[in-house]
Amino acid sequence: QLVLTQSPSASASLGASVKLTCTLNGGHNNYDIAWHQQQPEKGPRFLMFLNSDGSHKKGDGIPDRFSGSTSGAERYLTISSLQSEDEADYYCQTWNTGIRVFGGGTKLTVL
Amino acid sequence: QVRLVESGGGVVLPGRSLRLSCEASGFTFSKSGMHWVRQAPGKGLEWVALLSFDETYEYYADSVKGRFTISRDNSKNMLFLQMNSLRPDDTAMYYCAKGSDYFEYWGQGTLVTVSS
Repeated sequence: QLVLTQSPSASASLGASVKLTCTLNGGHNNYDIAWHQQQPEKGPRFLMFLNSDGSHKKGDGIPDRFSGSTSGAERYLTISSLQSEDEADYYCQTWNTGIRVFGGGTKLTVL
Repeated sequence: QVRLVESGGGVVLPGRSLRLSCEASGFTFSKSGMHWVRQAPGKGLEWVALLSFDETYEYYADSVKGRFTISRDNSKNMLFLQMNSLRPDDTAMYYCAKGSDYFEYWGQGTLVTVSS
């Protein structure tokens, strides 16, 4: 069974950086993922595709402040120079034949 | 630019049916896999269904298998979700999304409320 685990919440100060984590369950260390952002009362927005080797490809118009990285079963989303509009829910997502799976999401608060 | 506009949501009684639509523009619809994803009030995202660009394969989440049917009309750039035997736990915002393995673009959603 394919499972993604995310911390429910995170917080960081305006102008600072934050690193969100998404963990793949056992046996799935080599899976690629995608990161999505959902601002309050809005539809989700694709941020990036993150390869298991750490390379990533961002969606249209995604600022350079957003980056992705990988270590083993962990997939990271780093947001630097935090802005108020970065306050949102962040979801990781992966896939296998016949199924698409989301993590539970991390609610990011910008202090 | 890519645009996905969902419609067809509303309030429906348990056990009844509803058909959602998604109008696509700004890309070659006939060459793109398409999905439905839903989000119950205050909850996270849940993938619902996938239909390949050429309709050769379709997949469903276990929670909707046998009740929901995804379809498309490539001549009209439209995606559909036929929802039968609706239950209260189907209450959610339903989003259509473009992509195959992952969701490259999302619509703004249409709200479905199943309640007596």
